[in-house]
Amino acid sequence: QVQLVQSGAEVKKPGASVKVSCKTSGYTFTSYGINWVRQAPGQGLEWMGWISAYNGNTNYAQKLQGRVTVTIDTSTSTAYMELRSLRSDDTAVYYCARDDSSGYFDFWGQGTRVTVSS
Amino acid sequence: DIVMTQSPDSLAVSLGERATINCRSSQSVLYSSNNKNSLAWYQQKPGQPPKMLIYWASIRESGVPDRFSGGGSGTDFTLTISSLQAEDVAVYYCQQFYSTPYTFGQGTKLEIK
Repeated sequence: QVQLVQSGAEVKKPGASVKVSCKTSGYTFTSYGINWVRQAPGQGLEWMGWISAYNGNTNYAQKLQGRVTVTIDTSTSTAYMELRSLRSDDTAVYYCARDDSSGYFDFWGQGTRVTVSS
Repeated sequence: DIVMTQSPDSLAVSLGERATINCRSSQSVLYSSNNKNSLAWYQQKPGQPPKMLIYWASIRESGVPDRFSGGGSGTDFTLTISSLQAEDVAVYYCQQFYSTPYTFGQGTKLEIK
């Protein structure tokens, strides 16, 4: 069965960086893309970016451009999201989600809580 | 960016009754190459990730009960639950995947009356 398993919760200070992993299984990794979506406490869903696991092409939300990088390791079928220069408003649950390049997200990771606090 | 607006923000429906959630996009999300609307619906329960219910506006994801249906075209869409069950209490989001940045509606909280 398809699974996306994310790394554990993180607490970071403002200005630091965080790297969240998303280990996939149960499907051909390179046949799909991985998206990252975040959800601030009590808020809605915000798309952050996408990577093709086929060729590594990326597409990022403009508001995060320059602070976010999404990468993949095809040898371990794992995707990573790094967010730099963290601010308090980056406090959120971060999700990875699979798509077949159509843009809808059929399987999601369990979420990783990132708390940014001094 | 395409702005997605859902209505209402919250909804209380009696068990067994119909629930309808609306979603409007700021521009058409009809994909001309396949004549399909690039619109998905998700259900999110507390402490859980979202779960996809509907994609291409009206195609029910495998395993989703048939009381869930999606409709609409262009800029106006609906998610209908034909007979509300207790386990349907959740927040529902629409999402456009016509163009990046992919965007979501603000969510509709569905409760039991």
